Amino acid sequence: SQQGEEDPQALSIQEGENATMNCSYKTSINNLQWYRQNSGRGLVHLILIRSNEREKHSGRLRVTLDTSKKSSSLLITASRAADTASYFCATGRNQAGTALIFGKGTTLSVSS
Amino acid sequence: EAGVTQSPTHLIKTRGQQATLRCSPISGHTSVYWYQQALGLGLQFLLWYDEGEERNRGNFPPRFSGRQFPNYSSELNVNALELEDSALYLCASRGGTGNQPQHFGDGTRLSIL
Repeated sequence: SQQGEEDPQALSIQEGENATMNCSYKTSINNLQWYRQNSGRGLVHLILIRSNEREKHSGRLRVTLDTSKKSSSLLITASRAADTASYFCATGRNQAGTALIFGKGTTLSVSS
Repeated sequence: EAGVTQSPTHLIKTRGQQATLRCSPISGHTSVYWYQQALGLGLQFLLWYDEGEERNRGNFPPRFSGRQFPNYSSELNVNALELEDSALYLCASRGGTGNQPQHFGDGTRLSIL
C-alpha cells in the first residue's frame, strides 16, 4: 500500500523555470527520501532528509519537511530538459532500515 | 565505486514457469531490498535481506521468495508465473543504519506471455 501521495501527478514547465513537487504521508517516519526515475530505468537517489531536519539542499534541489503536517516538498530550480523524469518520495519508518514506502510519483516534463 | 547491478536486463517467460532474478549490491552494503513496479500499482516492497537473513516481506504470495548469499548478493525467485507478475523488478542495497539511503539498480523487466 502507498504511504503517501505526490502532488501534482504531472507537471509541465519550460526550461529555466522552477518545479515544485509535494508529498504527503500518513504515519510517523524516521526519514523521507526523494528519488528520480528516468523512463523504464532504475531509481536514482536525490536527497534523504531526517525527521529532525526541516530543510536540505543539494545543488539545484531543495527539500523541506514538515512533520506536523506530514508533508514534504521538492523544489528543482532552473529546470533543464534533462530533469524530465518521474519523481518519487519514499518514507523510512525506523532506524532498523525497514523497506521504503513509495508514493505514486510526479511526472515532470521540461521542454526547451 | 560500482553501483547495484541486476541481471538479466530483460526476461521473457510464459505462465506457470519459474523466474530467477539476480542482484549484486554495492560493495560493503549488507542489506538488499527487492521491489516490484507494475503498471498502475506503483513501487511495492517485496523482500528485505540483511546479513543473509530474510528480515521482512511485503504483501506478496509465498511463490515470491529469495535468498541472500554470503557475499551479500541476492536472488529473487518467482514460481508459477502469472500474467500479473509482469513488471520491473528493482533491487536496492543499503549500508549502515536505516538512515542511509537505498541505492537502486536498473532493474529486470519481466514479461509473462
